[in-house]
Amino acid sequence: DIQMTQSPSTLSASVGDRVTITCRASQSISDSLAWYQQKPGKAPNLLIHKASSSESGVPSRFSGSGSGTEFTLTINSLQPDDFAIYYCLHYNRYSGTFGQGTKVEIK
Amino acid sequence: QVHLVESGGGVVQPGRSLRLSCAASGFSFSSYGMHWVRQAPGKGLEWVAVAYYDEVTKYYADSVKGRFTISRVNSKNTLYLQMNSLRVEDTAVYYCARDVGGVPWDWGQGTLVTVSS
Repeated sequence: DIQMTQSPSTLSASVGDRVTITCRASQSISDSLAWYQQKPGKAPNLLIHKASSSESGVPSRFSGSGSGTEFTLTINSLQPDDFAIYYCLHYNRYSGTFGQGTKVEIK
Repeated sequence: QVHLVESGGGVVQPGRSLRLSCAASGFSFSSYGMHWVRQAPGKGLEWVAVAYYDEVTKYYADSVKGRFTISRVNSKNTLYLQMNSLRVEDTAVYYCARDVGGVPWDWGQGTLVTVSS
């Protein structure tokens, strides 16, 4: 089974900062990776699919990159609304594997 | 506008059964796969199962295989999760989500299942 390792688990940052979250796969997954944002008490919200394709309506400060085994989610100029937990997901036709999550908190 | 509403959660004793439902609207339900994803209290997300549009093709996480059954009735625009032999560790919020290209794309608000004696 493919394992997804997300880092860091917690990230302290200030409004306006550039933030990078990493997700590593235990073997190559091509570009079958999505990123989600989740706020307390709410369902996850899709940000990025196919490693770097932004979902419609997602602010342009969110971007995804990578392929194979290493992927990043970058948030440029962090906004107050961005403090949340972020998850990566490896998906295929048969299953899904989430990373452990990264909590982005206010410094 | 895609709308997904889960129901059927509650408190159940270990070893008992529960069936969750997910009512879908705002899209052509019979054309899309549908996922269940769960989240234990204070923990991360765990993919549970997927049922494709044909009502036949289904896949499960190892943690629920043999205990949970995903099903769908396209004529009712409804997805189900039959959960048998429930364990304490199955306690979670259960979300249904529409599949687009393998990705759980649109999500419901979730229903809480608590397994406790």
